[in-house]
Amino acid sequence: GAGVSQSPSNKVTEKGKDVELRCDPISGHTALYWYRQSLGQGLEFLIYFQGNSAPDKSGLPSDRFSAERTGGSVSTLTIQRTQQEDSAVYLCASSVRQGRNTEAFFGQGTRLTVV
Amino acid sequence: GENVEQHPSTLSVQEGDSAVIKCTYSDSASNYFPWYKQELGKRPQLIIDIRSNVGEKKDQRIAVTLNKTAKHFSLHITETQPEDSAVYFCATRDNQGGKLIFGQGTELSVKP
Repeated sequence: GAGVSQSPSNKVTEKGKDVELRCDPISGHTALYWYRQSLGQGLEFLIYFQGNSAPDKSGLPSDRFSAERTGGSVSTLTIQRTQQEDSAVYLCASSVRQGRNTEAFFGQGTRLTVV
Repeated sequence: GENVEQHPSTLSVQEGDSAVIKCTYSDSASNYFPWYKQELGKRPQLIIDIRSNVGEKKDQRIAVTLNKTAKHFSLHITETQPEDSAVYFCATRDNQGGKLIFGQGTELSVKP
């Protein structure tokens, strides 16, 4: 596609359920990033990928959060046993490659609401 | 790890005035400093960036300045317009050339 695509756009889930958020980066972009944005707050780094490997997972809030990337393209962020404090917009971004000063393009985000 | 502080958190100006947003960072090896604009309900979009080999860059009404010695950089918007109202984020790319670390954001309001 022309831009970074995320699905679903909105997700409402019950506390304790697992959710999967998907990110489809721009074709050819090898670097992929996940951020979390709570209402009215900043962009909290979660994890980034270079190809299929994740050099930095330091931002994942707890072991309930995990992410993977396959084929150097699509990435999935999984949140297990969701809690109300997980409610936020989850943003994905991609850029041409790591280590270069290139623009990161953001997707439209997935708004997660845990009830 | 890298830390980016951004000030002010909110800024209100009259149309036509200038706006300045400032960021400081902790990692002296940071070498890429982008600024993103996020309008309400939309995704962040890059508006300008600067690399460590230059001290200033200008694009029409917006400019960025970088002081690597002091480890701070600033966004300047001149002749502000109501459509400039948004949240602005500064960022740095860390010394591993990987993740982008963002400041906390500045909510700019331009009053007509």
